[in-house]
Parts: sequence; structure tokens; C-alpha cells
Amino acid sequence: NAGVMQNPRHLVRRRGQEARLRCSPMKGHSHVYWYRQLPEEGLKFMVYLQKENIIDESGMPKERFSAEFPKEGPSILRIQQVVRGDSAAYFCASSYATGGVSQPQHFGDGTRLSIL
Amino acid sequence: AQTVTQSQPEMSVQEAETVTLSCTYDTSENNYYLFWYKQPPSRQMILVIRQEAYKQQNATENRFSVNFQKAAKSFSLKISDSQLGDTAMYFCAFMKITSGTYKYIFGTGTRLKVLA
Repeated sequence: NAGVMQNPRHLVRRRGQEARLRCSPMKGHSHVYWYRQLPEEGLKFMVYLQKENIIDESGMPKERFSAEFPKEGPSILRIQQVVRGDSAAYFCASSYATGGVSQPQHFGDGTRLSIL
Repeated sequence: AQTVTQSQPEMSVQEAETVTLSCTYDTSENNYYLFWYKQPPSRQMILVIRQEAYKQQNATENRFSVNFQKAAKSFSLKISDSQLGDTAMYFCAFMKITSGTYKYIFGTGTRLKVLA
């Protein structure tokens, strides 16, 4: 049973380019969360999505960042016109329903984004 | 807003010894969940142990146990019989229901090194 799959594992972009990070949740999971981890810091919540809906985007920067979770295919975190400060590890997590202790979030291995 | 504080940036322990990692949090909520996650150098986020706030009994998972003091808002992790494979970053996380979302709030982490 495959876990949460994130790709690419590493992504290098130049300032001003676009970055697309993909996340395929565990089989049967319809809830996806994105977190960002800056160097030497903990993970910070960005956005929570269900199929075709954004439920909570309170942690997402208002500009340049967007996320989607279409009916078919992986969830995508998109960063437009990247800047050096976007360099971080981006983690995706999924859960079967609305999480909680009985249904905890399962994390992918993360995508490390480096901006040149 | 909820906050999670891990006051020990780094700790070390001799193999086979016991170590306790501290975590405090701030919330006005009565019902919430608490977690400890381990992040080894591979960067995976691995769930170590979890606790529901309404349960008075401390959670235990093999060599890992917690000391949950709800009134003091404290949630420490005890690792018994430490092993070299326990070397990792450890993150304490808080989760509450916010308008139907379960998002984690992480502390800044404690880097644990187990010495041979």
C-alpha cells in the first residue's frame, strides 16, 4: 500500500520562474494538507484541501501561491515568480477523513525547493 | 492563537539511557490532540505517539511514553532504552478542530543525538 507520494524530491528554480509541487495522497484518502519547513524550523501549515475544494488556506501567502486538488490526479502546490525566500522543504500530508487521532495525517517525504 | 514551545534545541543521551524532551503549548481550547513526530536525516515525518486531551491516561508506545499535564499545558516525551536509530529531530504538534479542519501546529523541534 503506497504511502503519500511527492514529486519531485528536489526542485531547483531560478528567481522569477514557476514551481509546481505534486502530491498523491494515500489510497482512499481524500484530504490533503500542505506544510512548509524553513531550515532549522518546524513545519508550518499552509493549506487544507478536499477533492475540488479548498477548505482552509489561512497559512498560504496571499500572492504567488495557489493550491488545487482536482477530482482526478494529484494535488498541486504552485508557486509563481519564485523568490529566494521560497527555498524550503514542502511537505504534503493526507488523511482518510478529517483527521484527528484515530485518523492521523500521513506525510510524504517532502519536496526540497531551492531557488538560485 | 495556539503556540507550541520546545525549549530544548538540542539534546544528547547515551545509548540505553532514558531521555525526556519537553513541550509546552498555549490554547484556550478544551478538546484537542497532541502528537510527537520524529524526523530523521532522511527528512521523513514519522508519527511517534499521540494523545487525546480528554484522556487522562498517558499514551505509551513501546519505548516511548508521554507525560501529559493538561492543567500545566505540558506534553513531554520520554524515550527509554535509547537506541542509535532514535537520533533525529523531534517535533511536538498540537491539533484542534477549526471550522472542520484538523491542522497541525508544530514546535520548532529538538535535535536528539544518541551517543554510542
